[in-house]
Amino acid sequence: DGGITQSPKYLFRKEGQNVTLSCEQNLNHDAMYWYRQDPGQGLRLIYYSQIVNDFQKGDIAEGYSVSREKKESFPLTVTSAQKNPTAFYLCASRDVFGPNYGYTFGSGTRLTVV
Amino acid sequence: AQTVTQSQPEMSVQEAETVTLSCTYDTSESNYYLFWYKQPPSRQMILVIRQEAYKQQNATENRFSVNFQKAAKSFSLKISDSQLGDTAMYFCAFMALGNSGGSNYKLTFGKGTLLTVNP
Repeated sequence: DGGITQSPKYLFRKEGQNVTLSCEQNLNHDAMYWYRQDPGQGLRLIYYSQIVNDFQKGDIAEGYSVSREKKESFPLTVTSAQKNPTAFYLCASRDVFGPNYGYTFGSGTRLTVV
Repeated sequence: AQTVTQSQPEMSVQEAETVTLSCTYDTSESNYYLFWYKQPPSRQMILVIRQEAYKQQNATENRFSVNFQKAAKSFSLKISDSQLGDTAMYFCAFMALGNSGGSNYKLTFGKGTLLTVNP
């Protein structure tokens, strides 16, 4: 079945360490997105990519980095510069040629700093 | 920049009754979509309903319908015959269409309304 796979489901990180969250899709979608979810804050956009080898900052990009070397993959690195990384992270993709502009979401990664 | 406001952090409803969740938005765009997403305890984001701004007719999907007031920039969700499985966080979201002005089809979310359906 086509979809988005985020791994791992739960991730623990020590302060000062970088960590990479995986997002893979087999939907042949061109656009991919990373959102951060905090209680009472809704979803906020971190980074997005509309095509391979290109990506743009979202509203809260500081302390994060991404790459888009393959159409299927859009990993997110949470660096030690991110002051409050504990959150739920959602990856999504969009069919840019689709008729309804809908997003498909992964099941998320819960990151906890210990 | 677009903003989406959900003024009800939490709501509750009795099973089989009707409930309405509020959403307002602010934008200078003329071509856009509005969405309601549901996030149950599993945290999977599920699309509930979508409204194209150019359509005057309100969207409906089974027990879910919207009241889209374009001039007032209001987009409320009505859930009829509420079921226990409707218990979830509900997010209102906005998407400007096209790549001008930096919109790039990004989704902007409200902060959510936690809906509890009581038996």
